[in-house]
Amino acid sequence: GAGVSQSPSNKVTEKGKDVELRCDPISGHTALYWYRQSLGQGLEFLIYFQGNSAPDKSGLPSDRFSAERTGGSVSTLTIQRTQQEDSAVYLCASSQRTEYNEQFFGPGTRLTVL
Amino acid sequence: GENVEQHPSTLSVQEGDSAVIKCTYSDSASNYFPWYKQELGKRPQLIIDIRSNVGEKKDQRIAVTLNKTAKHFSLHITETQPEDSAVYFCAAPGGFSNDYKLSFGAGTTVTVRA
Repeated sequence: GAGVSQSPSNKVTEKGKDVELRCDPISGHTALYWYRQSLGQGLEFLIYFQGNSAPDKSGLPSDRFSAERTGGSVSTLTIQRTQQEDSAVYLCASSQRTEYNEQFFGPGTRLTVL
Repeated sequence: GENVEQHPSTLSVQEGDSAVIKCTYSDSASNYFPWYKQELGKRPQLIIDIRSNVGEKKDQRIAVTLNKTAKHFSLHITETQPEDSAVYFCAAPGGFSNDYKLSFGAGTTVTVRA
């Protein structure tokens, strides 16, 4: 079946512009996660959704970052007034539940802020 | 929150030899420890996980051990092959009330020399 998909695969933007990153989770997966991976680094947790609600937003780096999920499916991560330090690969993952469940990752969106 | 440390950061082994990666965690309530493999330019994929009610788990050439008293767990790859070359990440959840939030180690780049 279809896995987690993300779009765009690559995004180049200028400093100060807003960007939207999209994630389509595996159908039926109620939990959705956003991570950030800087070059050569590990995965930094940003936010997770259970259904449409986001109980924990503590991983978002600043108030320029926001995310929403509609219909218990698609999620959008928005970064306002992008900065060069936002450049990274943004990974989305989904799982059937939150506890003890394999997280299936999408291919990521590589964001470059010039 | 959970703090996961992973060693070594890089590991070069001769084909056929074994590779061992070690991780420590801080939250004694953590009870689920997955390992992800990320090939160059690809998404992370779960290769094995272990729950706190067992001390060791094997799947063909890979095995994971868990020592809850010492709060560390390890990945063992035997009879390494070139396709084992990748970055490996360990992870641990945030404990009893935060088991959805995986904290990842910084990763180990494994290179298998032919």
